[in-house]
Amino acid sequence: KQEVTQIPAALSVPEGENLVLNCSFTDSAIYNLQWFRQDPGKGLTSLLLIQSSQREQTSGRLNASLDKSSGRSTLYIAASQPGDSATYLCAVSFITSYDKVIFGPGTSLSVIP
Amino acid sequence: DVKVTQSSRYLVKRTGEKVFLECVQDMDHENMFWYRQDPGLGLRLIYFSYDVKMKEKGDIPEGYSVSREKKERFSLILESASTNQTSMYLCASSSTTGDQPQHFGDGTRLSIL
Repeated sequence: KQEVTQIPAALSVPEGENLVLNCSFTDSAIYNLQWFRQDPGKGLTSLLLIQSSQREQTSGRLNASLDKSSGRSTLYIAASQPGDSATYLCAVSFITSYDKVIFGPGTSLSVIP
Repeated sequence: DVKVTQSSRYLVKRTGEKVFLECVQDMDHENMFWYRQDPGLGLRLIYFSYDVKMKEKGDIPEGYSVSREKKERFSLILESASTNQTSMYLCASSSTTGDQPQHFGDGTRLSIL
């Protein structure tokens, strides 16, 4: 069964710290991987999309890496701010079902001022 | 900017009622999706559609149906609402090219009494 997991489930850090969120997937034959942000009671906002042929993507203070062979992706957030507090979800499209996206359970991030 | 609009942010219905959740996107996307999100269970795919009048079952289609009569609109129907369908419902759309992220609406918080 194709699954996506995320560690840790929750994370609390002081403002200014750099941090890493982890995502693992069970099948290396992926089409793409996305990182989303979700604020409480809201929908999901796309942060970064990494194609299967890419190793990383960057947007501002965010950097996402992809290692298909080990079935892992990381989201690096530099110089965290209280406004970064949200739930971060990893989502994978597998080649065998590329129109469908399988989501991880998310990491709840709190950045303490 | 891509806009996915869900007709209601909050909705309260009674058991046995027929409930319609509407979703409209303005980017001419081929693919549209309905998810439900529950604490501890994450996002689960109910149905998706890759073209007008086409639909595919997701992971939890029981108790739901969908309609896609126009490319921009994807409706989720609860034929006879039950209390276990109380949830947050999220609509998303994407292109078929696979190089663009899914775009989500703000969600509908549905309560079945």
